[in-house]
Amino acid sequence: GESVGLHLPTLSVQEGDNSIINCAYSNSASDYFIWYKQESGKGPQFIIDIRSNMDKRQGQRVTVLLNKTVKHLSLQIAATQPGDSAVYFCAETFNAAGNKLTFGGGTRVLVKP
Amino acid sequence: DTGVSQDPRHKITKRGQNVTFRCDPISEHNRLYWYRQTLGQGPEFLTYFQNEAQLEKSRLLSDRFSAERPKGSFSTLEIQRTEQGDSAMYLCASSPGRKTEAFFGQGTRLTVV
Repeated sequence: GESVGLHLPTLSVQEGDNSIINCAYSNSASDYFIWYKQESGKGPQFIIDIRSNMDKRQGQRVTVLLNKTVKHLSLQIAATQPGDSAVYFCAETFNAAGNKLTFGGGTRVLVKP
Repeated sequence: DTGVSQDPRHKITKRGQNVTFRCDPISEHNRLYWYRQTLGQGPEFLTYFQNEAQLEKSRLLSDRFSAERPKGSFSTLEIQRTEQGDSAMYLCASSPGRKTEAFFGQGTRLTVV
């Protein structure tokens, strides 16, 4: 069935460097995407979202890029900090899904001091 | 705290017992979602409510599972005759409308022994 997946299960990054987390989605009808951060023992925390009529959106230290041609989503974290260590999930939904999110398997980001 | 609240945070039960979890969404959010998450995986959709109406149920939601949202505010998720395979984190989320960010609670960690 349709699914959202991630290329890298674990990403180690030096503190202060930029991080890039990638996500591929297969449902061409998907029109809304969200990145979540999940720390151990906690629920997913919203980071940033993007709609399909955009190809880039920026937040505080984070940027999401959407390439609908190749069905690819990425999250860039600038100047990665120890507090950014967590598992990151991309999620997608589409018009008829009632905001039901389909999540990928997650990428663990480890920030080295 | 005005976020999504879930109770209990942890539950250990013997196989065959019934368990019930509660979720209090963000006030005035008309959409409420239940997800299940196993270790190392992204959350999987179980069911969602718009106000008191249960609009969709996943195939993951066997007949041992039932969810209610009687007054369109808090929701309960009951699992009857629990099995070891039910061990997971059960997450609740709420959102104010379609294609808007969903806010997650901290989850209820269920362990069936």
